Amino acid sequence: QQQVRQSPQSLTVWEGETAILNCSYENSAFDYFPWYQQFPGEGPALLISILSVSNKKEDGRFTIFFNKREKKLSLHIADSQPGDSATYFCAASQGGSAKLIFGEGTKLTVSS
Amino acid sequence: GGIITQTPKFLIGQEGQKLTLKCQQNFNHDTMYWYRQDSGKGLRLIYYSITENDLQKGDLSEGYDASREKKSSFSLTVTSAQKNEMAVFLCASSIGWGGDAEQFFGPGTRLTVL
Repeated sequence: QQQVRQSPQSLTVWEGETAILNCSYENSAFDYFPWYQQFPGEGPALLISILSVSNKKEDGRFTIFFNKREKKLSLHIADSQPGDSATYFCAASQGGSAKLIFGEGTKLTVSS
Repeated sequence: GGIITQTPKFLIGQEGQKLTLKCQQNFNHDTMYWYRQDSGKGLRLIYYSITENDLQKGDLSEGYDASREKKSSFSLTVTSAQKNEMAVFLCASSIGWGGDAEQFFGPGTRLTVL
């Protein structure tokens, strides 16, 4: 049973456009949601994260929108650049647990 | 800053073989993790260790053993490699053990079983 789902599986946008990556989850006890970015041949790296008490988190061109009632969140990448081309993983965890549950990832390609 | 080193980078094994993957971190982090990454399937937790003498099973521990030799190193053993198995094994570490502790990942070991 996949507890964290991501869509689309792959996404292509033009340079300068806003890329929107979606994530949904099943366990209402999840309260922390990080997004990790992974380039080919490398391990994932934390990009941005949000706690369930917030509905929005911004960091430069990256913004998370969070809807607790619908158990959905999305990552918006504004003014997308070719260097943003990577796989993005949404993850979730429950307070007090060491376990992060990862989604299957969205592969983003930014064309110039 | 710090770094996570995984060895070997590529590992080719035979069916039924016992294979060991190694991970070293110099962050001085307490918690270390092993994940398996299959193409199109995200990361799945195999084992984790909250402190130096701790070892806990993740969701995918069957077929694997792990050992936390010291604070800086964490090894994973594939007890019997499965034919046609291909995956990337990622080691990570974090300063604490809560789910909100940022995890730092190594570059991975790519396993191929012939």
